[in-house]
Amino acid sequence: AQSVTQLDSQVPVFEEAPVELRCNYSSSVSVYLFWYVQYPNQGLQLLLKYLSGSTLVKGINGFEAEFNKSQTSFHLRKPSVHISDTAEYFCAVSSTLGGKLIFGQGTELSVKP
Amino acid sequence: DSGVTQTPKHLITATGQRVTLRCSPRSGDLSVYWYQQSLDQGLQFLIQYYNGEERAKGNILERFSAQQFPDLHSELNLSSLELGDSALYFCASSVGRQGHNEQFFGPGTRLTVL
Repeated sequence: AQSVTQLDSQVPVFEEAPVELRCNYSSSVSVYLFWYVQYPNQGLQLLLKYLSGSTLVKGINGFEAEFNKSQTSFHLRKPSVHISDTAEYFCAVSSTLGGKLIFGQGTELSVKP
Repeated sequence: DSGVTQTPKHLITATGQRVTLRCSPRSGDLSVYWYQQSLDQGLQFLIQYYNGEERAKGNILERFSAQQFPDLHSELNLSSLELGDSALYFCASSVGRQGHNEQFFGPGTRLTVL
């Protein structure tokens, strides 16, 4: 079985400050890792994904994440946030056994001017 | 726009009723997934279809059923509705059935059970 824990339910930050959203996972098999963003009243949009290879992955809108196998983590970072980054962010895993996504509880990022 | 369409956008119904949610995947995608998003349970996987066949099941209640038709659109049927079924239901599609395939999400159907 797999599980995902997002360590912060809410992260308030000022505009142009850096941000890190934390994600830890648990799995008995190899995993693929994803970060999705959900803007108010919209569906989920993929920010980035880790499938294999380089542990630092870059995504859209200036976000990046680092896969750390020993710490079973996949933290999302952005060096300078904008007001428009205000949204809910979900970390998710799938496995080599199938396509279903297991999501964390979400982190609400609130960027203040 | 992800290319995945879901209808209706909103649905308000009463307890004990039955509803059908519809999803059209992106052109060329063979896999369809259904997810439920609620405040207390978060985002939960319900069921996956690939090219018309059921591939995986999650925490889907026996009162819920789904199918994927030959034209690849999918329907999620919810029956004997309870207050706790109120949630946002998302459909997602991907080209393949494996975990590395990116899933594209529709805008969701918001179900309110009164």
